[in-house]
Amino acid sequence: AQSVTQLGSHVSVSEGALVLLRCNYSSSVPPYLFWYVQYPNQGLQLLLKYTSAATLVKGINGFEAEFKKSETSFHLTKPSAHMSDAAEYFCAVSPYSSASKIIFGSGTRLSIRP
Amino acid sequence: ETGVTQSPTHLIKTRGQQVTLRCSSQSGHNTVSWYQQALGQGPQFIFQYYREEENGRGNFPPRFSGLQFPNYSSELNVNALELDDSALYLCASSLPGAGGTGELFFGEGSRLTVL
Repeated sequence: AQSVTQLGSHVSVSEGALVLLRCNYSSSVPPYLFWYVQYPNQGLQLLLKYTSAATLVKGINGFEAEFKKSETSFHLTKPSAHMSDAAEYFCAVSPYSSASKIIFGSGTRLSIRP
Repeated sequence: ETGVTQSPTHLIKTRGQQVTLRCSSQSGHNTVSWYQQALGQGPQFIFQYYREEENGRGNFPPRFSGLQFPNYSSELNVNALELDDSALYLCASSLPGAGGTGELFFGEGSRLTVL
């Protein structure tokens, strides 16, 4: 079975500061891993995905994530936060062999202080 | 290219009633997944349809049912509504092939309130 745990339901950073959102996964088979973003009153949008190629994955809007098998982690980072980054972020996992369903974490709300 | 569209956007029902939510998938996508997102929580997988057949189901009771049509649009039906069914219901379509990378394209959701 697959699952993800997002550490911290709410993260607040200053504009221009480093953003770090933590995600640990559990999977009995090689996983696909994803980060999605949800802006208020909208659906989810894919930020980036890991599908067993490069362990450092670059996504949209300057975000990137590193797959670390030894730590079963897939943390999301951005060097410099922007006000427009304020949103809910979800880490997600699906089994490599059959991406028939994606399991989401509980989410981390990112706030940006001026 | 038309994205995923859902209807209605908002609706209010009372306990015991039935509801049907609709979803049009993105052009060329033959797989549709439905998720329930309760307030302050992550989306929970309800089920997925691939070429009109159910292709995986989450931990939801049988009163949650679905359909997929030949044009790949889909419906989610919920019978005997309970207060806990109040949530945002998200539809997502994905690229052809159930064994793909699993990238989902989401609609904006249908917000259901059960009174």
